[in-house]
Amino acid sequence: QKEVEQDPGPLSVPEGAIVSLNCTYSNSAFQYFMWYRQYSRKGPELLMYTYSSGNKEDGRFTAQVDKSSKYISLFIRDSQPSDSATYLCAMSVLSKLTFGKGITLSVRP
Amino acid sequence: SAVISQKPSRDICQRGTSLTIQCQVDSQVTMMFWYRQQPGQSLTLIATANQGSEATYESGFVIDKFPISRPNLTFSTLTVSNMSPEDSSIYLCSVVFRGIGKQSLYNEQFFGPGTRLTVL
Repeated sequence: QKEVEQDPGPLSVPEGAIVSLNCTYSNSAFQYFMWYRQYSRKGPELLMYTYSSGNKEDGRFTAQVDKSSKYISLFIRDSQPSDSATYLCAMSVLSKLTFGKGITLSVRP
Repeated sequence: SAVISQKPSRDICQRGTSLTIQCQVDSQVTMMFWYRQQPGQSLTLIATANQGSEATYESGFVIDKFPISRPNLTFSTLTVSNMSPEDSSIYLCSVVFRGIGKQSLYNEQFFGPGTRLTVL
């Protein structure tokens, strides 16, 4: 079993839709939980991070962590075409990151 | 945050040759990392490059294949040696900055734009 599993894609939604992206993990030692966004031919950029169970909101984005179920989610409200990118979940112990495979999201105008 | 540049941005190489990828950061950082991103695969850590000490390699990666240099706090190189088509991938460097605010234990990691390598 891989340490981090991410729902496969690709995912295509109409503009304005609510998007739910999910990852599960097996390593209880993970301390921080992150979502990175990667546009084509660019490096990943940190979107959100959290270290505790619960929800963290930042504008249209909400990161959710459930440590008891070893499950994290990213919700995107009112999705925009500019949200079209690959989204990677990542988890860390100290500074060492373990990534999911990523899911490519396309938001149709 | 940090501005991270990589050279080259892309290259096409012949089997059996070597390529050195450069990573330059606009700030001094303690920890730098090198990752590989293969199509359909997770972003995978190759090694941690620490200034003043030998790089630490992850399982499945060896120094003879991926030698790393870290001559100062703003620069590192990764060499992909004796390349084969299986080495075709995007190679990224990243750096760590300690997060600010109450979550002070978190070390935010920033990525360079990547080097897209194709081996024929």
